[in-house]
Amino acid sequence: AQTVTQSQPEMSVQEAETVTLSCTYDTSESDYYLFWYKQPPSRQMILVIRQEAYKQQNATENRFSVNFQKAAKSFSLKISDSQLGDAAMYFCAYNAGNNRKLIWGLGTSLAVNP
Amino acid sequence: DAMVIQNPRYQVTQFGKPVTLSCSQTLNHNVMYWYQQKSSQAPKLLFHYYDKDFNNEADTPDNFQSRRPNTSFCFLDIRSPGLGDAAMYLCATSGLTGTYEQYFGPGTRLTVT
Repeated sequence: AQTVTQSQPEMSVQEAETVTLSCTYDTSESDYYLFWYKQPPSRQMILVIRQEAYKQQNATENRFSVNFQKAAKSFSLKISDSQLGDAAMYFCAYNAGNNRKLIWGLGTSLAVNP
Repeated sequence: DAMVIQNPRYQVTQFGKPVTLSCSQTLNHNVMYWYQQKSSQAPKLLFHYYDKDFNNEADTPDNFQSRRPNTSFCFLDIRSPGLGDAAMYLCATSGLTGTYEQYFGPGTRLTVT
């Protein structure tokens, strides 16, 4: 069965510093997609970044980047120059290509300290 | 802007009194999902529609039903809400090509008194 594990229930970072959130997954598929979603307190779930497994290049979206290690089944999220607005719950999620469902990690609650 | 809209944003109902939550989308996506999310937890998929094809999760209680009258709208009916059904209910949509990512509405927070 496919699983997603986020081993850090809570993390904190100083404003303007860099933080890395961990995610590992288990699958026997070779083609799949990985996502990081952000959910600020009492606000909407939004997609932060996506990674296609067939792409070797790590995805980047402004201050957000991933370290995708396919062999190790690891998909970590790096947030550079952290801002107060980055404080949120971050969920790692997996989709096996033609499957219509996401497999979710339990989430990491990120606090940003001024 | 294309988006997913949920109404109402907050809903209070009484124990056992049926309630309906609504979701609409302007993305023209084939797939619509309903999730239940309790505080600080990951979303839990209740069911999803692929066009008009309804797909229930095995552990979704019979108390939860859904309707999708057309591509744009989807409803979540809770027939007899219990205190344990108090949660945030998220609607999401997905196209079937590209990267299969899901787009979420703002959610409806349900309180059961």
